[in-house]
Amino acid sequence: DGGITQSPKYLFRKEGQNVTLSCEQNLNHDAMYWYRQDPGQGLRLIYYSQIVNDFQKGDIAEGYSVSREKKESFPLTVTSAQKNPTAFYLCASSTLDSPWFYGYTFGSGTRLTVV
Amino acid sequence: AQSVTQLGSHVSVSEGALVLLRCNYSSSVPPYLFWYVQYPNQGLQLLLKYTSAATLVKGINGFEAEFKKSETSFHLTKPSAHMSDAAEYFCAVSVNTGNQFYFGTGTSLTVIP
Repeated sequence: DGGITQSPKYLFRKEGQNVTLSCEQNLNHDAMYWYRQDPGQGLRLIYYSQIVNDFQKGDIAEGYSVSREKKESFPLTVTSAQKNPTAFYLCASSTLDSPWFYGYTFGSGTRLTVV
Repeated sequence: AQSVTQLGSHVSVSEGALVLLRCNYSSSVPPYLFWYVQYPNQGLQLLLKYTSAATLVKGINGFEAEFKKSETSFHLTKPSAHMSDAAEYFCAVSVNTGNQFYFGTGTSLTVIP
C-alpha cells in the first residue's frame, strides 16, 4: 500500500543536539511538506519542496533544515538553534497536478521531546 | 490570502447526539475546503472535501459538511455521535493558484457516554 512513513515515532533530544526526522513516501508525489503541531496552534508549515534539490521556507523555518536528494525522501533536521523543539511533527505529500483537489496525504507523525 | 477559523477549540457531545463543528473561511478566490480528522498520536486523515461540485459533501464515518458561500462557512456535522468519533478535527482551505493549504487551529471533540 502506498503511503508516507515517518520515523521514529518518538524521539528524545538533549539540549544542544541536532536530530533528524525521517519522512519517506511511495506515492510518487512531487511535493512534500513538514508541519509542526503544538496544542491549540494547529499546523504550522516549516518547509516544503516541490522538486528534488529544491525547497522553500515556510512560516516557521528558523532552527530547522531540510534536504530533498530523492523524490521519495524529505528529512527534517531540528538544529540546536531551535529553542523550543518539543512538538509533534507531521510530514505530508501531494501531487503537483491539482493538489487543491486531491488534498494532502499525511504520515503518522514524530513526537519530539527535549530532555 | 486564505485562512480558516474554527470556532470552539473543544466541543463535547453525548453519545448519540448531533455533532456540529464550525469552520469559517476567508478567500478572495473560489476555495477548496477540506476536513481532516486526527486520532491521538497519529497523522491527519481526510474526512471529506468540497471542490466546487455539490455544496453538500458526504465523507467517511457518517460525516458531512455543507458549503455556504453566503456565510463563508463549511461546518462539519454528524447526526449521531459515536465514542469512536472522539478526535481532533481540522478544517483546511486551498485555492487553485497554488499548492499550499491553510489549516485551522483544530477542534477537539469529546464524546460523553
